[in-house]
Amino acid sequence: SQQGEEDPQALSIQEGENATMNCSYKTSINNLQWYRQNSGRGLVHLILIRSNEREKHSGRLRVTLDTSKKSSSLLITASRAADTASYFCATDAYYGNNRLAFGKGNQVVVIP
Amino acid sequence: SQTIHQWPATLVQPVGSPLSLECTVEGTSNPNLYWYRQAAGRGLQLLFYSVGIGQISSEVPQNLSASRPQDRQFILSSKKLLLSDSGFYLCAVLRQGSSYEQYFGPGTRLTVT
Repeated sequence: SQQGEEDPQALSIQEGENATMNCSYKTSINNLQWYRQNSGRGLVHLILIRSNEREKHSGRLRVTLDTSKKSSSLLITASRAADTASYFCATDAYYGNNRLAFGKGNQVVVIP
Repeated sequence: SQTIHQWPATLVQPVGSPLSLECTVEGTSNPNLYWYRQAAGRGLQLLFYSVGIGQISSEVPQNLSASRPQDRQFILSSKKLLLSDSGFYLCAVLRQGSSYEQYFGPGTRLTVT
């Protein structure tokens, strides 16, 4: 099975609320990334967190990493309708050599 | 900046027919290239990985093959499509200067009937 297993719930929230999604993985990693995919489109890289980092911010995004629990969370604050998308985590260690293993993704719907 | 082109954007093919999907990359040289497949409502499955011309690693035994005839061209092929080959095919390139971040193309939606 692939590394990166997001909690599979679809999340539906009101605009302005925060959205949180989680990802767990099985083996040790060097880093973990989050990507966004709008419906029918390619993935867009959002943020990368290294294994020696516990928290990272980028704009309205906050990522945490707990290597002891082999889990990560992505928080989107003050959500907007444009945040409606699927969000995937990806880890590097499953394959190695610059290859990523992606989780199943979390679908987020932001209601205007 | 790196740009990825994929074509066709959509494709409907009958079972048993051949397949050829093309991916080309601009703005980089000697890139690492990837083919992924995404089944409906699912995550991405890494299919092939290439570090250079003629160098292909297959991650999943399957009905598909890949080739890299030129530095910035990556082709996904099949001699005979199966129903299970339906999905969204994405080409990606490793971001220049990064060991991990990938840029993705717009994808090809393949429906096998």
